Amino acid sequence: DQQVKQNSPSLSVQEGRISILNCDYTNSMFDYFLWYKKYPAEGPTFLISISSIKDKNEDGRFTVFLNKSAKHLSLHIVPSQPGDSAVYFCAASPYGNKLVFGAGTILRVKS
Amino acid sequence: GAGVSQTPSNKVTEKGKYVELRCDPISGHTALYWYRQSLGQGPEFLIYFQGTGAADDSGLPNDRFFAVRPEGSVSTLKIQRTERGDSAVYLCASSPGRFQRVPETQYFGPGTRLLVL
Repeated sequence: DQQVKQNSPSLSVQEGRISILNCDYTNSMFDYFLWYKKYPAEGPTFLISISSIKDKNEDGRFTVFLNKSAKHLSLHIVPSQPGDSAVYFCAASPYGNKLVFGAGTILRVKS
Repeated sequence: GAGVSQTPSNKVTEKGKYVELRCDPISGHTALYWYRQSLGQGPEFLIYFQGTGAADDSGLPNDRFFAVRPEGSVSTLKIQRTERGDSAVYLCASSPGRFQRVPETQYFGPGTRLLVL
């Protein structure tokens, strides 16, 4: 049973445009959500997080939106850069310890 | 460097053999996590340590898998009687661990790629 789903295996965006990566979850006990970025042969790198008491968190070019009623979150990258090309994982935590990850979305930013 | 380190980076073994994977967390981090990432999937939780004790081992798939952290720093993941299905990237992460059950950002190492032939 996949509790965190990233339904788009891949996304291709032109440099300078907006990238929107989506994530859905099923467990109402999740109270903390994170996005990680992963390059080949490296471990996941933390990008941005959001607590369930917020609906938006922004850090530079990255913004995460949380819609609790829809059990949906999204990551917006504006403007997209070629160096953003990586696998993006959505993760959720039920009580602050273990993370439950989605399967990832491969983002390709074309120059 | 100051990040999480894992050794070896790659490990090839034969079915039935025993393997040990090592994780050095960020200095001062009391919380340590092991995850397993199979091809085409996201990391899957295995076990979480707070200090020397395993606070949550609910993700260990069976009793062939065991992890220790005797001094509250370095951790070793041990796999007995390896099977081909154990082939995956094993990731270790650490976090400050200041509070129990309070969300913290987890910082990941590069992983150990295990191949069981």
